[in-house]
Amino acid sequence: EVQLVESGGGLVQPGGSLRLSCAASGFTFSSYWMSWVRQAPGKGLEWVANIKQDGSETYSVDSVKGRFTFSRDNAENSLYLQMNSLRVEDTAVYYCARDDCSSTNCHWGAFDIWGQGTMVTVSS
Amino acid sequence: DVVLTQSPLSLPVTLGQPASISCRSSQSLVYSDGNTYLNWFQQRPGQSPRRLIYEVSNRDSGVPDRFSGSGSDTDFTLKISRVEAEDVGVYFCMQGTQWPYTFGQGTKLEIK
Repeated sequence: EVQLVESGGGLVQPGGSLRLSCAASGFTFSSYWMSWVRQAPGKGLEWVANIKQDGSETYSVDSVKGRFTFSRDNAENSLYLQMNSLRVEDTAVYYCARDDCSSTNCHWGAFDIWGQGTMVTVSS
Repeated sequence: DVVLTQSPLSLPVTLGQPASISCRSSQSLVYSDGNTYLNWFQQRPGQSPRRLIYEVSNRDSGVPDRFSGSGSDTDFTLKISRVEAEDVGVYFCMQGTQWPYTFGQGTKLEIK
């Protein structure tokens, strides 16, 4: 079964750090771009960042640049989001999603597989 | 950044009736390769988003054929020919033509 499972969410104080993980299974993880998307409570979806198949390129939204770091371990079929200098406005459910862009064909932004999400709460 | 504006934001619909959601972009979504990376997602209450349509009009497998997408350049539409109870949720358009990817605000569909 094709699946993405996030973990690592929790409660953290403003200025703190947290590392999210996303475990992939059921597909060739190393063949796909991967993204993080977040959703603040009761709000819409916001794309956060994506990372190329080999990890050599990442792109992110301006609000997280310099604070969040994106990486992947293809040997472990895992995606990571290191969040530093967290702010109250980073409070959200964080989803990992497979960008439907493989080494042979790209449908940019067409996230075809989503995880169940992990909640990050930034509060004092 | 590309701004996607959805309308309406709230959509009460009678069962069996059609529904239509508009998504307008602040810039052309035609990419340099000639493709238009405008996608539609459905988020049912308490669930993760699910892709319905990619590249304007390509319906995902398993998505009922009552869902259809159309449009071009900056103006796009998601249509449901006959709304069913399972269609309740929030619908988002999203562009992948230009980084950062951006989503519309979402349209909440409810049964009247």
